[in-house]
Amino acid sequence: GEDVEQSLFLSVREGDSSVINCTYTDSSSTYLYWYKQEPGAGLQLLTYIFSNMDMKQDQRLTVLLNKKDKHLSLRIADTQTGDSAIYFCAGFFTGGGNKLTFGTGTQLKVEL
Amino acid sequence: DAGVIQSPRHEVTEMGQEVTLRCKPISGHDYLFWYRQTMMRGLELLIYFNNNVPIDDSGMPEDRFSAKMPNASFSTLKIQPSEPRDSAVYFCASSFRQGGQPQHFGDGTRLSIL
Repeated sequence: GEDVEQSLFLSVREGDSSVINCTYTDSSSTYLYWYKQEPGAGLQLLTYIFSNMDMKQDQRLTVLLNKKDKHLSLRIADTQTGDSAIYFCAGFFTGGGNKLTFGTGTQLKVEL
Repeated sequence: DAGVIQSPRHEVTEMGQEVTLRCKPISGHDYLFWYRQTMMRGLELLIYFNNNVPIDDSGMPEDRFSAKMPNASFSTLKIQPSEPRDSAVYFCASSFRQGGQPQHFGDGTRLSIL
């Protein structure tokens, strides 16, 4: 089946850029998403990208998609302490039926 | 706009008791999903509905788990009897159509079975 992988932890200094990476095995992705989960809360949709796009920018967030390498990244510019959370990438893959496949999540810690 | 609403937010009960989790999806959304999140297993899809009909329940762990969606604005997830290993955060999500429309999540129910 589909596999979506992320590194578990990332630590950055406030004001720096954060780059959270995600790789997937199924090349038949259609839509790919980034969600943010703060402690005690649900998953909040941050942004998403269609598989026919290479890049999408939304204020401080930039999503890059490399379909050849099956690699998705989320860049957060000028990272703030409020950005500390767990970030999940997720995707719809043709082989996965109508289910959204989630990565394991990356815990982002922003230090002063 | 109101998001996905789940209740209760927290539930603590003793093993063997019946537990009922509730969800109100976003109005107009015709897909509803139940997930479970634990440290060990991450986020797992338990079951999803389309137009109130269960489509895929392959993620439901055991017969002790059941889910219903009697109408477009309400769904329940029941565990009977509950066991300590059922302790987790249970999320409900909804989406409009399929084919890539994003899922919107509720804040979850944190369930502790003693």
